[in-house]
Amino acid sequence: DVKVTQSSRYLVKRTGEKVFLECVQDMDHENMFWYRQDPGLGLRLIYFSYDVKMKEKGDIPEGYSVSREKKERFSLILESASTNQTSMYLCASSFSWQGTGELFFGEGSRLTVL
Amino acid sequence: DQQVKQNSPSLSVQEGRISILNCDYTNSMFDYFLWYKKYPAEGPTFLISISSIKDKNEDGRFTVFLNKSAKHLSLHIVPSQPGDSAVYFCAASFSDKVIFGPGTSLSVIP
Repeated sequence: DVKVTQSSRYLVKRTGEKVFLECVQDMDHENMFWYRQDPGLGLRLIYFSYDVKMKEKGDIPEGYSVSREKKERFSLILESASTNQTSMYLCASSFSWQGTGELFFGEGSRLTVL
Repeated sequence: DQQVKQNSPSLSVQEGRISILNCDYTNSMFDYFLWYKKYPAEGPTFLISISSIKDKNEDGRFTVFLNKSAKHLSLHIVPSQPGDSAVYFCAASFSDKVIFGPGTSLSVIP
């Protein structure tokens, strides 16, 4: 079974703190994604990566950065957390050759910024 | 501007009846359309997909219909079961980028 593991299920941070959310997948997927889920807005794409050291902006990249130093690991970084970044963050991965959009998701990281 | 829309935030259906969830999209570049199911405190899981060259795909109790001219797709669940109660996200993809709709919360009443 494909497994996508997110490092923290729940985090509470203060405004201005730096936040790292880590994601690891064990299926040798080329593509990895970070989404945030908010009520009424669905899942919005923050960043995605096609390969190691490659990254592409999604629809809402402002206030976020990412790092992909190894194929299996994709990190989301909030340089200076703000209260409007309180959300559920979901990591996903997929095969690049498949092209069907079938993503495998982690369980999510719920971040609260006070 | 949302590229993938689900205009019904919630839907209630009696057990055993049909559930119909609707989705509209705006970008004609999308080449695959998918439905994901999400339970609380879990990540979404893939349910069913359809290629843009087809108009129907069936998998057990789940059928997805695509109307390209109307830029509309729907998910039919027959018969609905209480375990189907979840949030359903419509998604569309092109070039490995996947765009999600806002979701519809389905409640199947025993």
